[in-house]
Amino acid sequence: QQPVQSPQAVILREGEDAVINCSSSKALYSVHWYRQKHGEAPVFLMILLKGGEQKGHDKISASFNEKKQQSSLYLTASQLSYSGTYFCGTAMDSNYQLIWGAGTKLIIKP
Amino acid sequence: DVKVTQSSRYLVKRTGEKVFLECVQDMDHENMFWYRQDPGLGLRLIYFSYDVKMKEKGDIPEGYSVSREKKERFSLILESASTNQTSMYLCASSLGLTNTEAFFGQGTRLTVV
Repeated sequence: QQPVQSPQAVILREGEDAVINCSSSKALYSVHWYRQKHGEAPVFLMILLKGGEQKGHDKISASFNEKKQQSSLYLTASQLSYSGTYFCGTAMDSNYQLIWGAGTKLIIKP
Repeated sequence: DVKVTQSSRYLVKRTGEKVFLECVQDMDHENMFWYRQDPGLGLRLIYFSYDVKMKEKGDIPEGYSVSREKKERFSLILESASTNQTSMYLCASSLGLTNTEAFFGQGTRLTVV
């Protein structure tokens, strides 16, 4: 089942913080976060594993809620380059392929 | 620099044509994927392959087939293109299935007229 991302779109000023959520109906094994700019390939941001381990970039963090059914991606002190569409990909188990959300469009204004 | 390369950025094909989309990766990855991307729907998995000659159906395999004769190359085939297959197609590869980073190609924008 496709995870639900929220919000669908958000507009921020440079320097503000952003939180993007990815929700599933079942507990997750892993959540992957990618950013895609218009006309470009999605680019890896991070992976969050069910044990809390994170693999990714220093300026971006993510967490699970208590039931591990929702992940939140935290972008602090946003920069203009953070603009793009953010996708989460979720896996229930290590043996299943990722299922992707519909995306969250983030617009950062100067 | 690691790379996933898709053979075409833009393609225009006629209804009923057989269409081949090619993808090559240079990272020696076991897993390769074909997605289609439509506005508001995110990435939907068409097929994936976990080894040479091995393939698994994704969520929307109807009207598509794939071929993986060599580890580095994964082809998507539209047997008889239809207008509802007009979309952006993305290829990706990864070392693991769900716990490692996936690398995406630039995408192929296919228009079927």
